[in-house]
Amino acid sequence: AQSVTQPDIHITVSEGASLELRCNYSYGATPYLFWYVQSPGQGLQLLLKYFSGDTLVQGIKGFEAEFKRSQSSFNLRKPSVHWSDAAEYFCAVAFPGYSTLTFGKGTMLLVSP
Amino acid sequence: SQTIHQWPATLVQPVGSPLSLECTVEGTSNPNLYWYRQAAGRGLQLLFYSVGIGQISSEVPQNLSASRPQDRQFILSSKKLLLSDSGFYLCAWSGGLGLSAEAFFGQGTRLTVV
Repeated sequence: AQSVTQPDIHITVSEGASLELRCNYSYGATPYLFWYVQSPGQGLQLLLKYFSGDTLVQGIKGFEAEFKRSQSSFNLRKPSVHWSDAAEYFCAVAFPGYSTLTFGKGTMLLVSP
Repeated sequence: SQTIHQWPATLVQPVGSPLSLECTVEGTSNPNLYWYRQAAGRGLQLLFYSVGIGQISSEVPQNLSASRPQDRQFILSSKKLLLSDSGFYLCAWSGGLGLSAEAFFGQGTRLTVV
């Protein structure tokens, strides 16, 4: 069955440090891949997406993600974290032939001063 | 541009009372529509999705139902709320299969059943 795994429930990063949030999926082919961010009490905002082509994709707010087919991964990165990046981050996949997104359980990012 | 409206933002309801949450989309036609529930630490659970008027797919059997009376309107309902229905409910739309698969979310409804 298709699945999405975000192995880290919480991550704490110092402001100005680099960030990498992990995402792995289980599927026989390459799905469409997404990262969303959610601030407390708010809806989800799309950060970036991968459909095909260049495996390194750039998103909003200085985020990027790299698709690695061999590892079935789509990790989110940011070179320097700002306090305003504190939020919950969700990886999601859309599997070809299906009308819905499958979400990971989310990673809560805490930013320390 | 497309926008999605979801209301109310917060709701406190007693156990056994009915529920109606409404979601409307503007600026697009024939969207796929979704209802998700989010419980703390459990990610997003897809409850219902719809690919057209009157077409509802249920992902999880439960105390809730959904309806799509118009192309851009999606309603989540319950006849009798349970305590376990408390949570954060999110409506979303997408362009559908073969088009841009990304989903766009409303601001959510915080439902507390007391």
